Amino acid sequence: GESVGLHLPTLSVQEGDNSIINCAYSNSASDYFIWYKQESGKGPQFIIDIRSNMDKRQGQRVTVLLNKTVKHLSLQIAATQPGDSAVYFCAEIDSGSARQLTFGSGTQLTVLP
Amino acid sequence: KAGVTQTPRYLIKTRGQQVTLSCSPISGHRSVSWYQQTPGQGLQFLFEYFSETQRNKGNFPGRFSGRQFSNSRSEMNVSTLELGDSALYLCASSLGEGGYGYTFGSGTRLTVV
Repeated sequence: GESVGLHLPTLSVQEGDNSIINCAYSNSASDYFIWYKQESGKGPQFIIDIRSNMDKRQGQRVTVLLNKTVKHLSLQIAATQPGDSAVYFCAEIDSGSARQLTFGSGTQLTVLP
Repeated sequence: KAGVTQTPRYLIKTRGQQVTLSCSPISGHRSVSWYQQTPGQGLQFLFEYFSETQRNKGNFPGRFSGRQFSNSRSEMNVSTLELGDSALYLCASSLGEGGYGYTFGSGTRLTVV
């Protein structure tokens, strides 16, 4: 079946640098995308979302880019901090079919001091 | 405002037994979704309940079931447990209509021995 997948399972960055986490999706009908952060022992925490009628959305230190042509989603974290170390998941919803999140496999972000 | 509460946090069960997990959503949220998280399969959708009705179901065997009460609290049950059912079970609540503001609980860690 169709699924959302991530390019890299791990990413290490220096504290203060910018991080970019990528995600490829295959369901062209998906119209809503969410990035989640999951720390050890906790559930996924919402970071930022974007609808398919947008190509960029900014939050506090985070930016999500959506490229529907190549079905690619990315999360950019500015000035990465130690507290950003976690697993990051992208998730998609096809609101026309079912209210369920389809998650990617996750990227482990490690921030180096 | 209280978050999503899942109980118990940890469970150890024997193969063949059954287990019931509980989820209390954020006050005012009428939708509760359940997800299974394993290292091998990632986060997978189990089912969603809205106003006491199952609105959507993932691709899991019939041993996995759930229900929702009039106060929106939800339970999921797994019967005839298998070793492969060992996982982190997450529930997420949302208003259920309109947007997709899902808030996750911290999960129940189920270990089947």
